[in-house]
Amino acid sequence: DAKTTQPPSMDCAEGRAANLPCNHSTISGNEYVYWYRQIHSQGPQYIIHGLKNNETNEMASLIITEDRKSSTLILPHATLRDTAVYYCIVRVAYTNAGKSTFGDGTTLTVKP
Amino acid sequence: NAGVTQTPKFQVLKTGQSMTLQCAQDMNHEYMSWYRQDPGMGLRLIHYSVGAGITDQGEVPNGYNVSRSTTEDFPLRLLSAAPSQTSVYFCASSPGTGGLFNQPQHFGDGTRLSIL
Repeated sequence: DAKTTQPPSMDCAEGRAANLPCNHSTISGNEYVYWYRQIHSQGPQYIIHGLKNNETNEMASLIITEDRKSSTLILPHATLRDTAVYYCIVRVAYTNAGKSTFGDGTTLTVKP
Repeated sequence: NAGVTQTPKFQVLKTGQSMTLQCAQDMNHEYMSWYRQDPGMGLRLIHYSVGAGITDQGEVPNGYNVSRSTTEDFPLRLLSAAPSQTSVYFCASSPGTGGLFNQPQHFGDGTRLSIL
């Protein structure tokens, strides 16, 4: 699985968009990009994933660059409850699905 | 639908004791994994399984054993607990084949383990 690089921390004002970057310059053509978040000490929660097209769901949007070497998770209207550690991981989908490597993530703090 | 259930939620052990952390999922997922999370750090993969009867090592397997006799259960055994194994342990599951291979992992709420 490709390695990812994320900034250790970011701040965002409540109600504004939070844009969390992730670098995965060694990503392979068959690797998906997944985003999870961990609120306080709970188990990680899935947010969104994609292969090469941009994706949107009820929680967030995922923008993947054309060369797939980086991506951005967008929380369109951040709330205080979005304060969490956000993890970007990449993995081959059809094999090793249970073998995901998590880095240290980005701690997002949403401020009033 | 319970999802991924981990027991116990908290446990204190003495050095040298053994114990088993339980993990069960009711989603008929093929893939299951165990992670540990030390304070202020990300998750590190201990062991994982791609189906009943098949297990493999992750990044930090030493001191831990696993088995997968059924699809539902994936227990993690500490053979001789050491203070360095004080951590929060998370179990996760995800679908495998049948066109669901790119689906995300579902995590349990964790077991907080302290070794004295």
